[in-house]
Amino acid sequence: AQSVTQPDIHITVSEGASLELRCNYSYGATPYLFWYVQSPGQGLQLLLKYFSGDTLVQGIKGFEAEFKRSQSSFNLRKPSVHWSDAAEYFCAVVTYNTDKLIFGTGTRLQVFP
Amino acid sequence: EAGVTQFPSHSVIEKGQTVTLRCDPISGHDNLYWYRRVMGKEIKFLLHFVKESKQDESGMPNNRFLAERTGGTYSTLKVQPAELEDSGVYFCASSFSRGGAFFGQGTRLTVV
Repeated sequence: AQSVTQPDIHITVSEGASLELRCNYSYGATPYLFWYVQSPGQGLQLLLKYFSGDTLVQGIKGFEAEFKRSQSSFNLRKPSVHWSDAAEYFCAVVTYNTDKLIFGTGTRLQVFP
Repeated sequence: EAGVTQFPSHSVIEKGQTVTLRCDPISGHDNLYWYRRVMGKEIKFLLHFVKESKQDESGMPNNRFLAERTGGTYSTLKVQPAELEDSGVYFCASSFSRGGAFFGQGTRLTVV
């Protein structure tokens, strides 16, 4: 069965520091890959997505993610974190034969000033 | 353009009662999804509508859950009777294609 693993439950960084959130998926082929963010009191917002082509994708709010087939990974990065980035981040996949998103357990990001 | 809207934002009910959650998708989106997050766990798929038809309801936990989408517009998710383990946040999402769904703010359901 398809699955998504986000190994870091909670990450704390200082404002201005770089960030990398890890995501690994388990699937026989290349799925569609997504990162969502949920800020406090808000719904899930799509940050970026990968379907095919260039393995480095740019998203909103200065985020990017890189798809690495050999590692079955889709890590999210940001070069300089802002206090407003404090939120919970979810990696998700959609496989070719379904339309449902399969989510990881989420990574909660805390940003210190 | 209005986003996905869910009502109510919070609901506290007693075990055995009935609760109905509502979702208004983005206009023109044929695909409507329901997801649920139980505290501390991952967000899990419940079901998928294409217009008014249930495309995939493999994630529905049991027959106490009933989802409808009248006329292919808004959708309701009824839980009857509610149990303690039904507590969680229920998300609705809609999409035009498979390019990534837009989510509502969720309904936090607490069964006491």
